[in-house]
Amino acid sequence: SAVISQKPSRDICQRGTSLTIQCQVDSQVTMMFWYRQQPGQSLTLIATANQGSEATYESGFVIDKFPISRPNLTFSTLTVSNMSPEDSSIYLCSVLPPDGVGYTFGSGTRLTVV
Amino acid sequence: AQSVTQLDSQVPVFEEAPVELRCNYSSSVSVYLFWYVQYPNQGLQLLLKYLSGSTLVESINGFEAEFNKSQTSFHLRKPSVHISDTAEYFCAVTNNYGQNFVFGPGTRLSVLP
Repeated sequence: SAVISQKPSRDICQRGTSLTIQCQVDSQVTMMFWYRQQPGQSLTLIATANQGSEATYESGFVIDKFPISRPNLTFSTLTVSNMSPEDSSIYLCSVLPPDGVGYTFGSGTRLTVV
Repeated sequence: AQSVTQLDSQVPVFEEAPVELRCNYSSSVSVYLFWYVQYPNQGLQLLLKYLSGSTLVESINGFEAEFNKSQTSFHLRKPSVHISDTAEYFCAVTNNYGQNFVFGPGTRLSVLP
């Protein structure tokens, strides 16, 4: 299965600032996904990052708040903009393997906004 | 639309005891079912999956899950747990490999010495 490197692994940020999270995959994948896991909760899909086109956002998430880049088939970034304490979460990058069977996840970025 | 219910938010169990983590889903179409595990301060790892064929699926570390279509369930079981099994376990369902992937709220398994 694909190996995903995600960084930073954790960060503490001031409110009003932005943080960019990077996701690197060791193989080419068509779709990459960004999830949020709020404290004590399950995972919520933020958006699907498509190479060569704009990301597709889920209900409740907008591009101005969570801009995504997908410059090639192995890399994506998610920016959390104008952060507030409510953005404190774990952000996870994931991909579908070539056989399309079950997501593979990165180790996540634990973000704390103070 | 699909949904996943994990009735037990927390399950404490003593080491070497058996455990069952419950998962029920709702869907109007055929589904694919997954269990993911999240160890403390780590990302999610795929534990096992049901796509088709045998309704009993196993993982390499002794967990198994059985797909029961009539009861719309995919409960996860292990006959004897270890301290190292302490983690959060998420059940997930999709009717399409790459889309509409829905996670349950998770069950925190705590294995006690």
